[in-house]
Amino acid sequence: DQQVKQNSPSLSVQEGRISILNCDYTNSMFDYFLWYKKYPAEGPTFLISISSIKDKNEDGRFTVFLNKSAKHLSLHIVPSQPGDSAVYFCAASDSYNTDKLIFGTGTRLQVFP
Amino acid sequence: DVKVTQSSRYLVKRTGEKVFLECVQDMDHENMFWYRQDPGLGLRLIYFSYDVKMKEKGDIPEGYSVSREKKERFSLILESASTNQTSMYLCASSLVGVYEQYFGPGTRLTVT
Repeated sequence: DQQVKQNSPSLSVQEGRISILNCDYTNSMFDYFLWYKKYPAEGPTFLISISSIKDKNEDGRFTVFLNKSAKHLSLHIVPSQPGDSAVYFCAASDSYNTDKLIFGTGTRLQVFP
Repeated sequence: DVKVTQSSRYLVKRTGEKVFLECVQDMDHENMFWYRQDPGLGLRLIYFSYDVKMKEKGDIPEGYSVSREKKERFSLILESASTNQTSMYLCASSLVGVYEQYFGPGTRLTVT
């Protein structure tokens, strides 16, 4: 069973607009969440994270929101740029398994001019 | 900067061959991981190691084994490659107790 789900396999956004990528999870023990970005033929790179004690974390154009009651997190990119075009993975972990991450299936974001 | 390197970017092997994928990290991380990435399935953990000679199965260990003789090096072994093991293989490392993992560039393996 998929504990971390990204239900949108792809998203297309115009340059300058907001991109919103969504992620849902089922395990209530998850207490730390990360977003990774992956370009073709490269490994994923860490983008931003959030602890379950927060509901928002911001880093420049990237903001992650966490809704624990809904078991839902989202990544907002504002403004979107063509260089943001990549596959985005959300990942989750819990305090008892800090060494392992559970990844979602990924969302391919395309930002067009 | 953490650097994780993988021995090959692209690899083509025949069914039944024994395949070795090597991963080296230079930041003295205790944890090392092997994932495979497939379309629509995301990243799935094959094995991870939390110390030299220590290993733990991930979600999809069947058909794979691993070796960690030195802290900086983690090898993934396909004992007898099969076509369903055609995939992108990603190695990662992290410090104990730290969630963030650092990934290598990946090895695109094709088994014919």
